[in-house]
Amino acid sequence: EIVMTQSPATLSVSPGERATLSCRASQSISTTLAWYHQRPGQAPRLLIYGTSIRATGIPARFSGAGSGTEFTLTISNLQSEDFAVYYCQQYNKWPGTFGQGTKVEIK
Amino acid sequence: EVQLVETGGGWIQVGGSLRLSCAASGFSVSNNYMHWVRRAPGKGLEWVSVIYSDGTTYYADSVKGRFTISRDSSKNTLYLQMNTLRAVDTAAYYCARGGVNGNMWLFDYWGQGALVTVSS
Repeated sequence: EIVMTQSPATLSVSPGERATLSCRASQSISTTLAWYHQRPGQAPRLLIYGTSIRATGIPARFSGAGSGTEFTLTISNLQSEDFAVYYCQQYNKWPGTFGQGTKVEIK
Repeated sequence: EVQLVETGGGWIQVGGSLRLSCAASGFSVSNNYMHWVRRAPGKGLEWVSVIYSDGTTYYADSVKGRFTISRDSSKNTLYLQMNTLRAVDTAAYYCARGGVNGNMWLFDYWGQGALVTVSS
């Protein structure tokens, strides 16, 4: 099973600033990488798939990059609704596996 | 509007059984990849099980032989029967629809979650 490792565990950012989250795969997954976020008490939501393709309704301030084993999610101009836990997920090999999450909190 | 609502969570003793339900609206559970995913306290998301439109089912190794996924088309509801529960099964359980861009592992709709606590 592919292990996904996210860093940092917690990221403190001020509203309006930029946040960069990292995700590493234990083996190459090409670009089969997705990102979700989950606000407290809410269901997870798909943000990006295929490393850099925004899901329906996701604003352009969310962008993804990377390939192979190293990936990043950048959130520009952080809004109040962006403070949440972010998970990366690989879907290159069975089963799809998630990282342990990065919590983006208000600085 | 697409909606998934889980019910059936609660507190259960080690070795006990529990059945989770996930009522869907706005689409048919029978025509989609339907999954259960869980998040244990302090841990990340973990895939649990999937049922295909043709009824084929798969399970994570950690639950194989103890959990059973099923659906009722007449009620448009997904189920997860959990037997021989262990303390490590304590988690919030989410049902989710897969199939974004034709890929079963990309989940576009999720329920709010049902909390299962397994204790001795």
